Amino acid sequence: EAGVAQSPRYKIIEKRQSVAFWCNPISGHATLYWYQQILGQGPKLLIQFQNNGVVDDSQLPKDRFSAERLKGVDSTLKIQPAKLEDSAVYLCASSLGGGGGGTYNEQFFGPGTRLTVL
Amino acid sequence: GQQVMQIPQYQHVQEGEDFTTYCNSSTTLSNIQWYKQRPGGHPVFLIQLVKSGEVKKQKRLTFQFGEAKKNSSLHITATQTTDVGTYFCAGWVKGGSYIPTFGRGTSLIVHP
Repeated sequence: EAGVAQSPRYKIIEKRQSVAFWCNPISGHATLYWYQQILGQGPKLLIQFQNNGVVDDSQLPKDRFSAERLKGVDSTLKIQPAKLEDSAVYLCASSLGGGGGGTYNEQFFGPGTRLTVL
Repeated sequence: GQQVMQIPQYQHVQEGEDFTTYCNSSTTLSNIQWYKQRPGGHPVFLIQLVKSGEVKKQKRLTFQFGEAKKNSSLHITATQTTDVGTYFCAGWVKGGSYIPTFGRGTSLIVHP
């Protein structure tokens, strides 16, 4: 079974530039998550999709970040314009279901995209 | 908002010693998951606990979920160098939907 794919793996940009990340989840997984992981911290949920609907985006800085999940499969996360504090690893994860209480919400993570903003 | 606190932040042990990390939530959890992240890698799922007071074992790893479903622990017996990494808990809370919140993680360093 193929895992979660992400690209690019690394990206270096200058502040105020824009950047986009792509994620292809495991086939058949209904729920897709984007996390921001700053060095030395735990993953912070930015947005959670179930199929092509948004479940939660309360921690997404909507003035500069946007995300979409096309046809309930692939997803893109965009930052425009980037700030120095956006330097982090952006992780995409997917799960078969989306509910708590044991309903198939084991998360499978992709390798991440390491973003450096200069 | 929901907070999940995890302690300690770092733990140095000699190979063969035991290790424990603790996770505490500000709110009652629906369930809790544990993940391991090796240096330079991505989080990998270890286990999920759902029931109050639940205890699960995986070889040398023992996971517990508190009676009030607000705290959890991971205990490793007789650590090995292969246990090196950062261990995260992720607590799930049901608001309108189920949302995961990760702790800061505990980095385990094992000295041979």
